[in-house]
Amino acid sequence: DAGVTQSPTHLIKTRGQHVTLRCSPISGHKSVSWYQQVLGQGPQFIFQYYEKEERGRGNFPDRFSARQFPNYSSELNVNALLLGDSALYLCASSSPGVQGLDTQYFGPGTRLTVL
Amino acid sequence: AQSVTQLGSHVSVSEGALVLLRCNYSSSVPPYLFWYVQYPNQGLQLLLKYTSAATLVKGINGFEAEFKKSETSFHLTKPSAHMSDAAEYFCAVSSDSWGKLQFGAGTQVVVTP
Repeated sequence: DAGVTQSPTHLIKTRGQHVTLRCSPISGHKSVSWYQQVLGQGPQFIFQYYEKEERGRGNFPDRFSARQFPNYSSELNVNALLLGDSALYLCASSSPGVQGLDTQYFGPGTRLTVL
Repeated sequence: AQSVTQLGSHVSVSEGALVLLRCNYSSSVPPYLFWYVQYPNQGLQLLLKYTSAATLVKGINGFEAEFKKSETSFHLTKPSAHMSDAAEYFCAVSSDSWGKLQFGAGTQVVVTP
């Protein structure tokens, strides 16, 4: 079975532009989460969606938004890009498992560079 | 509130030696705990997870971790390091079953011949 897929792999934008990142979850997974990983740091939680509804949001500005589609794929949108938005953006999908715990399975990420 | 502290941003081990990566957590509720590994230019791969079923958790690639509530620790070990273990390792905690993760800063492991 295919794992979590993300597109594009790499992206270069300039300050002030807008970007859309895409994620397809593992087949059968209904939850998608987004994380931002700045170089040299651990991933930081941005959003979690389940059945197209936002289930959680991290401490990120309103420039960041996301949505989940009926086929459970997801988009992360970032407006008015800043240099500090340069990072690896990771998507994870999950499905309830042992003891009802959703275990996150991560995609390869999208490397965003803002110039 | 929950947080994770990984002691040591870089660890160097000899091939065949014990690998020990330290993780301490703080959580207001009984936590779920995870170790993930990240190889260069890749996403995160789950090594193992603690869900309160057993305090000693065995994972993939010969890794295991022990949950110690009294020490609020979840250290990761492997008896004998292999060159392929060179990677960055992240400890993460979740305080709810939805799996929203709080990660530590990571520990970079270098394996020397």
